[in-house]
Amino acid sequence: GQQLNQSPQSMFIQEGEDVSMNCTSSSIFNTWLWYKQEPGEGPVLLIALYKAGELTSNGRLTAQFGITRKDSFLNISASIPSDVGIYFCAGRANTNAGKSTFGDGTTLTVKP
Amino acid sequence: KAGVTQTPRYLIKTRGQQVTLSCSPISGHRSVSWYQQTPGQGLQFLFEYFSETQRNKGNFPGRFSGRQFSNSRSEMNVSTLELGDSALYLCASSLLRGGNTEAFFGQGTRLTVV
Repeated sequence: GQQLNQSPQSMFIQEGEDVSMNCTSSSIFNTWLWYKQEPGEGPVLLIALYKAGELTSNGRLTAQFGITRKDSFLNISASIPSDVGIYFCAGRANTNAGKSTFGDGTTLTVKP
Repeated sequence: KAGVTQTPRYLIKTRGQQVTLSCSPISGHRSVSWYQQTPGQGLQFLFEYFSETQRNKGNFPGRFSGRQFSNSRSEMNVSTLELGDSALYLCASSLLRGGNTEAFFGQGTRLTVV
């Protein structure tokens, strides 16, 4: 089946630093999604990418859909303490919004 | 606009019992998907319902089942609970099945099997 490799597994950074995480897939996806999950909550959608090569920003967050359609990255600039959480990438192989394959997540810790 | 609502938030059950979890999607959303989240396996797709029909199914045993009602509300049922079924069960709703429509998650139901 489809597999997503998300890295790094965890990051410990200082407030104000930039963060970069990425996902690679063994197969092609038509959509890449990035979610953030905080303790006790469900994942919250941050950015959705629909076209190969697409670069999309949401405030301090920027994500790109890789040209090969097998990878995506998420950058967070000038991190702040509330960026703490687990970031998940997810891919969809077709236009079905209901079924996504998720990466294992990147746990981000921001030290003030 | 209210988000996705899952009930109950927390549940403790004994091995061998069965459990039913409920999900009310965002108003107007017709697709509901269920995921299991565990520390070891991450987020795993269970199934998706659209217009009261199961459209997709993940690799879970038949003990896991679900249904969707005419108002798009969905329930999932797990029979003969095992310790390994302890997890956060997440429901996500989306407006449509196709096109650039995204899924929005509820807060989840934390199931503990003892």
